[in-house]
Amino acid sequence: QVQLRESGPGLVKPSETLSLTCSVSGYSINSGYYWAWIRQPPGKGLEWIGTIYHSGNTYYNPSLKSRVTISVDTSKSQFSLKLSSVTAADTAEFFCAHAEGFGDLFPHYFDFWGQGILVTVSS
Amino acid sequence: DIQMTQSPSSVSASVGDRVTITCRASQGIARWLGWYQQKPGKAPKLLIYAASRLVSGVPSRFSGSGSGTDFTLTISSLQPEDFATYYCQHGNNFLFTFGPGTKVDI
Repeated sequence: QVQLRESGPGLVKPSETLSLTCSVSGYSINSGYYWAWIRQPPGKGLEWIGTIYHSGNTYYNPSLKSRVTISVDTSKSQFSLKLSSVTAADTAEFFCAHAEGFGDLFPHYFDFWGQGILVTVSS
Repeated sequence: DIQMTQSPSSVSASVGDRVTITCRASQGIARWLGWYQQKPGKAPKLLIYAASRLVSGVPSRFSGSGSGTDFTLTISSLQPEDFATYYCQHGNNFLFTFGPGTKVDI
């Protein structure tokens, strides 16, 4: 069973860079497949941020692409998110997740999720 | 970009009721549609993928149907643990979009 856990600062100042890490256990991140970041502003819906393959190939939400970097460290079984130039609008619960294709080569859904981490953007 | 809409935005129901939630895509998405359940303070849980395939361990009272642009999630007999917010989600060609959610409460 895949287990994911987000970690990082819970408070980031406006204009700075938000950095989070997702630690994966119970599954070799090298075994393949895709990993993702998803966020949810307080009281609002879910927004996909981006997806990374274990080889390092990345795919980003076009609306966030200019500010997002996702990377993977297979030696540590972790993948990370950086979101630059944050504003109050970036305050959200951030989830990392495993992206699954259910028999398809490419990912279509998110079947395992971390518990989430709340990041507040405030001075 | 493909947009997802859901209706209703909220529904009040009682234990034992049959509940149906609709999800519509702005263009045809074949059967690339998933449904999630989210309870307060928790991560979403994938219930259904490929429009109608139940994830292992999900109770059979949950079912999904549809293809193209129109999809439904049905809970045949609502249980106390089913009160939650439900999201539809499309993913294909490395782009993923969620619907705005439907809150099922008492």
